[in-house]
Amino acid sequence: NAGVMQNPRHLVRRRGQEARLRCSPMKGHSHVYWYRQLPEEGLKFMVYLQKENIIDESGMPKERFSAEFPKEGPSILRIQQVVRGDSAAYFCASSFQGTTNEKLFFGSGTQLSVL
Amino acid sequence: GESVGLHLPTLSVQEGDNSIINCAYSNSASDYFIWYKQESGKGPQFIIDIRSNMDKRQGQRVTVLLNKTVKHLSLQIAATQPGDSAVYFCAEVGGATNKLIFGTGTLLAVQP
Repeated sequence: NAGVMQNPRHLVRRRGQEARLRCSPMKGHSHVYWYRQLPEEGLKFMVYLQKENIIDESGMPKERFSAEFPKEGPSILRIQQVVRGDSAAYFCASSFQGTTNEKLFFGSGTQLSVL
Repeated sequence: GESVGLHLPTLSVQEGDNSIINCAYSNSASDYFIWYKQESGKGPQFIIDIRSNMDKRQGQRVTVLLNKTVKHLSLQIAATQPGDSAVYFCAEVGGATNKLIFGTGTLLAVQP
């Protein structure tokens, strides 16, 4: 049973370009969470999605950031018109039920570098 | 707002010693807590969890203690090994949608 898969592992973008980060949850998991981590800092919650629904986007910047988790395919975190401050590690996690009864499983992350 | 914080940003221990990593949380309504280990360049890895109806839980070489009175959480690692060197995060499940809220982490450095 494969774990949470994220790609690409590393992504380099120039200012103003778009970044698309993909996350495939563990098999059978229908709840996906995205977190952002700056160097030597903790993980900051961004968004929580269930298949075709955004459950909680309280951690998402109001502009340029969007996320989706379609019925088929991976979850996508999209950052439009990237700026240098977007450079960070972005982690995806998944769970089966999305409740307090279980832990989250994390992927290896995507390191976004904005030049 | 909700927050989880750690007392010690860096902890250096000798191989074979026991390690104790502490964490304070602010949301008294949280009922589920998790410790994660993160090695350089990797995602967080689950270590151990505990629910608010428990004071202590033991795993293999690790023990988590929960003191709800002072909202304090600790992770004890017995016979610390070089492979334990990593950043350790405590996290609480809180908010209306039960999302994980992480602290800033403690770097555990194991000296041979």
